[in-house]
Amino acid sequence: AQSVAQPEDQVNVAEGNPLTVKCTYSVSGNPYLFWYVQYPNRGLQFLLKYITGDNLVKGSYGFEAEFNKSQTSFHLKKPSALVSDSALYFCAVRDYGSGNTGKLIFGQGTTLQVKP
Amino acid sequence: DSGVTQTPKHLITATGQRVTLRCSPRSGDLSVYWYQQSLDQGLQFLIQYYNGEERAKGNILERFSAQQFPDLHSELNLSSLELGDSALYFCASSARTDSGNTIYFGEGSWLTVV
Repeated sequence: AQSVAQPEDQVNVAEGNPLTVKCTYSVSGNPYLFWYVQYPNRGLQFLLKYITGDNLVKGSYGFEAEFNKSQTSFHLKKPSALVSDSALYFCAVRDYGSGNTGKLIFGQGTTLQVKP
Repeated sequence: DSGVTQTPKHLITATGQRVTLRCSPRSGDLSVYWYQQSLDQGLQFLIQYYNGEERAKGNILERFSAQQFPDLHSELNLSSLELGDSALYFCASSARTDSGNTIYFGEGSWLTVV
């Protein structure tokens, strides 16, 4: 079965410092990976995705993610964190197991706290 | 704005009652997904429709049902509500189900069962 894991419940970083939110995946076949962000009392907003091609994927709000096949990881990164980046971040994998439905399977989420 | 519209945004109802959550997908999107977000369970997939047909079922209770109408909007019906059903219910949509398609989420419907 397809799955993703986010090993950190919370990540704390100072404003201006680089940030990394970790995600590892387990899939049979090719991984199709996504990052979403949820601001307080808001819906999930799409940040970026990896389907194929370059291992470094650029997305919205200055975020990027690095796909690493050997380490089965898809970590979210940003060179310089902003206080406004504080939110809940979800990694997800597209499920093409039985039924080939393409639904998303989410990790448990990581709260990012950026302090001024 | 993702283009996915959910109503109502907030709903408070009593145990034992029935509610209907409505979702309008992005224009042209054929696939609709429903998710439940609760503090202890995280984001759980409930059910998926594609062009009016049920495509996949996840952790959806028998008390819950959904459908997708010919105009592609979808409704999630929750009945015999229990306190534990209190959660944020998301609808999402995508044009198709292949890998390259991004799935976009609505703002969610907050359900509180008292």
